[in-house]
Amino acid sequence: DAMVIQNPRYQVTQFGKPVTLSCSQTLNHNVMYWYQQKSSQAPKLLFHYYDKDFNNEADTPDNFQSRRPNTSFCFLDIRSPGLGDAAMYLCATSRVGVGYGYTFGSGTRLTVV
Amino acid sequence: EDQVTQSPEALRLQEGESSSLNCSYTVSGLRGLFWYRQDPGKGPEFLFTLYSAGEEKEKERLKATLTKKESFLHITAPKPEDSATYLCALEETSGSRLTFGEGTQLTVNP
Repeated sequence: DAMVIQNPRYQVTQFGKPVTLSCSQTLNHNVMYWYQQKSSQAPKLLFHYYDKDFNNEADTPDNFQSRRPNTSFCFLDIRSPGLGDAAMYLCATSRVGVGYGYTFGSGTRLTVV
Repeated sequence: EDQVTQSPEALRLQEGESSSLNCSYTVSGLRGLFWYRQDPGKGPEFLFTLYSAGEEKEKERLKATLTKKESFLHITAPKPEDSATYLCALEETSGSRLTFGEGTQLTVNP
């Protein structure tokens, strides 16, 4: 089945130790998103890629970066995780203008110790 | 700035007790309003997209409606397996992104 896959499902990292979360898709959607969701809060958009064009939200901390090496893969890099970065990180894809909506992966739960 | 407000924050129902969740919004131009279901520890699962005022969509026990200012998710005769957080999100005409509400946490007791 076509889908959005996030790895790992659970990630534990040490305070200040760089960590990378990955997302892959088989939907061939041209837009990919990274959302951060803290407990009982709305998902908050960090970045999105329209094809190879990178779009950074104004309030996304500099500590967060992203890479999209090809259509299928997207990575979220957290350079120096702090305790406040513990959250669920959601990857989503969409196809612009077609009205398909957005397909989400199962998320990666990040714990910072 | 787009705003999405969901109410109530939490709702407890008995099995079979119908109710509605509210999503009020402000947006300069609406491309689509989305409803998602999210189970604990999982990503949001797509339910409906509504595009224009007056539109309605149904799926099993769920029915979503849309006006120019709000959307409702009606749950008819809910079952315990309907327990989840229901998220409302909008996409505006000028951008390709979703702005989410905080969600309504629904619990259906047997």
